[in-house]
This record gives sequence, structure tokens and C-alpha cells, in this order.
Amino acid sequence: AQSVTQLGSHVSVSEGALVLLRCNYSSSVPPYLFWYVQYPNQGLQLLLKYTSAATLVKGINGFEAEFKKSETSFHLTKPSAHMSDAAEYFCAVSVLTGFQKLVFGTGTRLLVSP
Amino acid sequence: EAGVTQFPSHSVIEKGQTVTLRCDPISGHDNLYWYRRVMGKEIKFLLHFVKESKQDESGMPNNRFLAERTGGTYSTLKVQPAELEDSGVYFCASSQRAGDLTDTQYFGPGTRLTVL
Repeated sequence: AQSVTQLGSHVSVSEGALVLLRCNYSSSVPPYLFWYVQYPNQGLQLLLKYTSAATLVKGINGFEAEFKKSETSFHLTKPSAHMSDAAEYFCAVSVLTGFQKLVFGTGTRLLVSP
Repeated sequence: EAGVTQFPSHSVIEKGQTVTLRCDPISGHDNLYWYRRVMGKEIKFLLHFVKESKQDESGMPNNRFLAERTGGTYSTLKVQPAELEDSGVYFCASSQRAGDLTDTQYFGPGTRLTVL
């Protein structure tokens, strides 16, 4: 069965610093992976997704993630944090059945300080 | 284009009462999903509709939960009777292509349910 693990329930960075949010997956076959972000009082918004094309995926708001099969990872990065990046981030994998079903990690809350 | 909407945004009820949550998907999306996040834990799948049919309800916790999607448009999730462990945030999502495992699910803002 597919699953994802997010290391660190909270990550703190200073404005302008590198953002690195970790996600490791477990899957016996090549997975489809997603990063979602939830801003306060809003729904989850898709940042980016890996669909077995390019291993380096670029998303919205300057985020990107690299699929590394050898490390079973799909970490989310952004070169320079902005105050507006403060939110909760979720990694998810699409269960490989006939119809799509997402399995989420426990989420990582990103705190950005001035 | 309007996004996924959910009503109410918050609900506080007593144990044993009934609550009904509503979700309006993006127009034209045949697929509608319900997920739940219990505090501090991961977001978990509850069920999936394709149009008005339940495609997968493997995540429904027990028979106190009843989901419907009459006419293939909006959906309701009823909890009757509510228990303390039902507290959490209930998310609804919709997507266009049911069989596409790479399709994007669009999420609503969630309904925060508190059972006292």
C-alpha cells in the first residue's frame, strides 16, 4: 500500500532563507505524488505534482520538488522564504487503484520569521 | 469559476445530536471526495462519488456516517448520532477525471466539527 511520511510537524525559517520540507514515500510501483498547501481559513491548494515525467517539478509561488527514486523522497524546496509562505504543507500519494484516492502525510507547518 | 464550497464552516454540537455537512463541487466535476482530519493527524479519505454513485466508501468510519449525492451535484455528509471522536475538519474535494490518477483534486475550506 502507498504511504507518505513527512518529517517535522513544524519548520521555522527566516525570511529569505531556504525552505526545505521533507516527504518520503512508500510504494512498490512508481507513485504519483502531490504537494498541497493550506493557508489559514482556506482549502488545500495544489502546489505541484509528480506524474512520472520530469523528476524536477516546478510549482506555483516559486516552489519545486525533486522526485528521487533511490531515496524514495519528494522534498519540497524554495530558495528564498517569504512571509506569505507561512502555511501548512501536505505531501500526498495517489493510491494506485482504478480511481484516484489520495493518502496524505501528517502535514508540516512552516513558520517564517522576519 | 467558483471553487469547492462547504457549509457550515464551523459546527458545534452535543454528543448524540445529528449534523449534516454540505459540499458543492466545482461545476462539471463528476468526482466528489470527502476527507477528514482529526486534530494532529493526517487527512484521511472517507469516500468517493462518481456522479451520484458511491465508487469507494472504504474510509467511512462506521454506519453513523451517511453520505449522499442526489442528482450528481452537491453532496451531504450526515453524522447521526455524533460521538466525541467525530470531531475534526471535514474536507470536500472534486475533480474532473475519475480514472486519471494524476488528476488534480480541488479542495474546499473544510467544515470544522466539534462534538462536546
